[in-house]
Amino acid sequence: DTAVSQTPKYLVTQMGNDKSIKCEQNLGHDTMYWYKQDSKKFLKIMFSYNNKELIINETVPNRFSPKSPDKAHLNLHINSLELGDSAVYFCASSIRGDTQYFGPGTRLTVL
Amino acid sequence: AQSVSQHNHHVILSEAASLELGCNYSYGGTVNLFWYVQYPGQHLQLLLKYFSGDPLVKGIKGFEAEFIKSKFSFNLRKPSVQWSDTAEYFCAVNADPISGTYKYIFGTGTRLKVLA
Repeated sequence: DTAVSQTPKYLVTQMGNDKSIKCEQNLGHDTMYWYKQDSKKFLKIMFSYNNKELIINETVPNRFSPKSPDKAHLNLHINSLELGDSAVYFCASSIRGDTQYFGPGTRLTVL
Repeated sequence: AQSVSQHNHHVILSEAASLELGCNYSYGGTVNLFWYVQYPGQHLQLLLKYFSGDPLVKGIKGFEAEFIKSKFSFNLRKPSVQWSDTAEYFCAVNADPISGTYKYIFGTGTRLKVLA
């Protein structure tokens, strides 16, 4: 069983479009995260959710919005996609501040 | 603001060479410390972690790390690297875990290439 899953794995889209990436964890963790990894492999935390409450919101554009329907899911919605949004997006989960378990990543390409 | 510094951005070693990757953080309170590895084309996975107790921690695949509180450091070591250790290595700090803010900070990563 996959612990943290993301869909889709690859996403190619045009500038200006709106897209969503889904994330699900079956580990029973209480905290979920979204990270952006750029071409230089820098890993930047975007959001985290603990028990359905946003507890970290780094300085990301408000075109990005996390949505958590329940503890097992944290989806990422992106409006008006820009070229600079091209990156690999990783979802992760943990129990509070313990080890993070990462999903396989979603490679987003904005044309 | 808290930060995590990894001094080596690119490291190239021959097989059987010894490895040490530096990691320093800036935070004076209680921290949880982690090293993650990202193999080519894969997601990050945990190598080892330190929460408390013996400052020398051992992880998977022969890796170990030493927490030196006075130096705010958590360096990663391996006595003899293998070609399969080629990967990106990330140091991470969970600053002030007791408060419940769960603020994870990752370093910029070190790209290790091991030559066969």
